[in-house]
Amino acid sequence: QKEVEQNSGPLSVPEGAIASLNCTYSDRGSQSFFWYRQYSGKSPELIMFIYSNGDKEDGRFTAQLNKASQYVSLLIRDSQPSDSATYLCAVNTRGGADGLTFGKGTHLIIQP
Amino acid sequence: DTEVTQTPKHLVMGMTNKKSLKCEQHMGHRAMYWYKQKAKKPPELMFVYSYEKLSINESVPSRFSPECPNSSLLNLHLHALQPEDSALYLCASSQAIGLQGARGYTFGSGTRLTVV
Repeated sequence: QKEVEQNSGPLSVPEGAIASLNCTYSDRGSQSFFWYRQYSGKSPELIMFIYSNGDKEDGRFTAQLNKASQYVSLLIRDSQPSDSATYLCAVNTRGGADGLTFGKGTHLIIQP
Repeated sequence: DTEVTQTPKHLVMGMTNKKSLKCEQHMGHRAMYWYKQKAKKPPELMFVYSYEKLSINESVPSRFSPECPNSSLLNLHLHALQPEDSALYLCASSQAIGLQGARGYTFGSGTRLTVV
């Protein structure tokens, strides 16, 4: 059974600081990894995806993947109050044919 | 067009009603999905369509019936639902599947369903 684990939080970070969100997954066959942001009452929005070990940067966001440790993280630099949301980690296997498995999400609060 | 459009945005239905949710995308994506999300929970996969064929049904009760009339449209037909089926129903699409996996989903804004 595929499992994706996240700390549900809330994770409280001061404005301007780095927010670090973590995720572990159980299925070694997982091939691609995604971070979604979801505001309350809204649908998930794709922030980052990563396939290869290492870091991937996009603006203030950096995704990190370590397949040996089955660990993926998301760093948000210069955190803004608008970053306050629930961040969902998702993984898939079989090239996406079987849909994404989501973690329970981490509730992030950026304190002004 | 980089959107997935879901209608209606809100739906209230009785337990004896029949209703349908609609999802449309014009990005040329060949995989489409239905997810159910309860409050403060992650999305749960219900159905996967790949090239208009149902490829996955995650043991969803038969009161939910999916349909993919063409590559751009996905419907979810609802009949004899229970109050516990009240949730946000999300449609998503992704590019054709391959070894590198879907390059992320594009989600619709969802249909907020209340069963009374």
